[in-house]
Amino acid sequence: GIQVEQSPPDLILQEGANSTLRCNFSDSVNNLQWFHQNPWGQLINLFYIPSGTKQNGRLSATTVATERYSLLYISSSQTTDSGVYFCAVGGQGWGAQKLVFGQGTRLTINP
Amino acid sequence: ETGVTQTPRHLVMGMTNKKSLKCEQHLGHNAMYWYKQSAKKPLELMFVYSLEERVENNSVPSRFSPECPNSSHLFLHLHTLQPEDSALYLCASSQGGSDTQYFGPGTRLTVL
Repeated sequence: GIQVEQSPPDLILQEGANSTLRCNFSDSVNNLQWFHQNPWGQLINLFYIPSGTKQNGRLSATTVATERYSLLYISSSQTTDSGVYFCAVGGQGWGAQKLVFGQGTRLTINP
Repeated sequence: ETGVTQTPRHLVMGMTNKKSLKCEQHLGHNAMYWYKQSAKKPLELMFVYSLEERVENNSVPSRFSPECPNSSHLFLHLHTLQPEDSALYLCASSQGGSDTQYFGPGTRLTVL
């Protein structure tokens, strides 16, 4: 099955800093999502981005499907950005529904 | 209510108990999912229902039994669980296969 690797596993930054989170995957995908998991466990959708580039406020994401990676950019970090960021991918056909999650990047933003 | 809701939010049960987790989606979606998140492990897909038919059972032990009576409701029936089944159980829904999945807040289950 598809393998998903996220890096770095942990990231500690000061408020106001920028960050880049990476997601590598091992096969062609028809589904790729970025999530933020808050301290209470809720997974919050950030982007649905199997290819291309999207932006939403201080967050943006780019997926280069041919090279099998995706990047999540967070600019001007705030303490509320802290939490675990997950990348999840789904393969071809019915496989698009079967999201495979990476291990996550734990982001800590200090005031 | 909007989005995906799950009840209960917390559940403590003994190994001999039978309990059920409930998920309801208010998004008009046609696919629903159960995921398990254990400590220090990635989220794992357990079951997929599409148009109320189970299309995926990801090698889950039979002590977990899903039920999807209609496109808005999904249940996970639990019986004779083990302590290692303690985890956060998350429900999700989507419209179609290759589309955004929206998650509920989860049920945190502790098996004593």
